[in-house]
Amino acid sequence: LAKTTQPISMDSYEGQEVNITCSHNNIATNDYITWYQQFPSQGPRFIIQGYKTKVTNEVASLFIPADRKSSTLSLPRVSLSDTAVYYCLVAYNQAGTALIFGKGTTLSVSS
Amino acid sequence: KAGVTQTPRYLIKTRGQQVTLSCSPISGHRSVSWYQQTPGQGLQFLFEYFSETQRNKGNFPGRFSGRQFSNSRSEMNVSTLELGDSALYLCASSFSGQNTEAFFGQGTRLTVV
Repeated sequence: LAKTTQPISMDSYEGQEVNITCSHNNIATNDYITWYQQFPSQGPRFIIQGYKTKVTNEVASLFIPADRKSSTLSLPRVSLSDTAVYYCLVAYNQAGTALIFGKGTTLSVSS
Repeated sequence: KAGVTQTPRYLIKTRGQQVTLSCSPISGHRSVSWYQQTPGQGLQFLFEYFSETQRNKGNFPGRFSGRQFSNSRSEMNVSTLELGDSALYLCASSFSGQNTEAFFGQGTRLTVV
């Protein structure tokens, strides 16, 4: 069972790029890395998922080095509305899905 | 398309009672997972259902149970409620459950008094 480690909190200012790094030293060969965003009293929202190298979508990029023991979520030009908790997950590529959430990173964006 | 719908949104129960929470997944999604979220323990996996069968189960006591119907709607039941069961209960649906994007509902806020 792969576990993840990520910073408890981060602070940023509007317009800056934010990089949140997650370590997953014992990631298995078939595990994917997924990031979710959660606002208070709401369910987590899928941001991005990747297996290796770089993945980019309209809201974020995910960088995964060759050894896959860590990954970095990059949020370009954050705004106040990006203040939330961000979770790094290792998804199971087996029968069934059990998303094991860590403590998450609380990102605070100030003006 | 309609998102994941959880009912009720808020619930207050007394110790010893039982409660049933409902989750309607996105149309076409066959996997439904349940999570408990508390300030102290964070988000914890309860169980996952796929095509009416429980496929995964987390480390929760037998008081927590669930089921899934043929239309993929799912219910979660908690019997003999304890104060510690107070939490936000979240349901997530996905197409197959295997490395596919999971969509979460707004959750049901359960308070046990």
